[in-house]
Amino acid sequence: QVQLVESGGGVVQPGRSLRLSCAASGFSFSSYGMHWVRQAPGKGLEWVAVIWYDGSNKYYADSVKGRFTISRDNAKNTQYLQMNSLRAEDTAVYYCARDLVYCSGGSCYSGAYGMDVWGQGTTVTVSS
Amino acid sequence: EIVLTQSPGTLSLSPGERATLSCRSSQSVSSSYLAWYQQKPGQAPRLLIYGASSRATGIPDRFSGSGSGTDFTLTISRLEPEDFAVYYCQQYGSSSWVFGQGTKVEIK
Repeated sequence: QVQLVESGGGVVQPGRSLRLSCAASGFSFSSYGMHWVRQAPGKGLEWVAVIWYDGSNKYYADSVKGRFTISRDNAKNTQYLQMNSLRAEDTAVYYCARDLVYCSGGSCYSGAYGMDVWGQGTTVTVSS
Repeated sequence: EIVLTQSPGTLSLSPGERATLSCRSSQSVSSSYLAWYQQKPGQAPRLLIYGASSRATGIPDRFSGSGSGTDFTLTISRLEPEDFAVYYCQQYGSSSWVFGQGTKVEIK
């Protein structure tokens, strides 16, 4: 079945780095854009980054721009989030999510319509 | 930057009642770019509605979305026990995605 599995979370000191992975299965990974979304403890959802299906475009939230890098390896059906210069406020559950593709009238659309498959999340704690 | 404001913060209702959740955007955008999610404790979010009014795959028809411009609504026609959760709206704009702060639907 369609599945996303995140890994790589853990406890890290401020200023250090961490790389998250998201392994996809059950669908044609190379046909979908992919997102990272995070949720701080007891807080709401915050979009972090997106990468186009072919890696040609990447966009970031202002809060992580310049520190985080999203990437993907379509041969491995995996996307990544490299997180550098981590701060206490980056502490959160990080979710991997698939960009929604919907088709209507013979055309298909993506990139702005939602996230239809989510992983279970991986926890990142930034603390000294 | 788009800001989404959801109201109320908490909705206390009984099973079988109707729930009406509001999401107001600071900017008018295409309704195609408005989505709703449900999140239960300890679980990942689940897509309910996209394009403001289209139900995602497998979503029961008691969930409906409406609205345009800056004002959007999620309606749950008759609350089932499994519907008590937190609901988020989300909007796309200028190569970024924004979530509202959430509305908690709790059992009265």
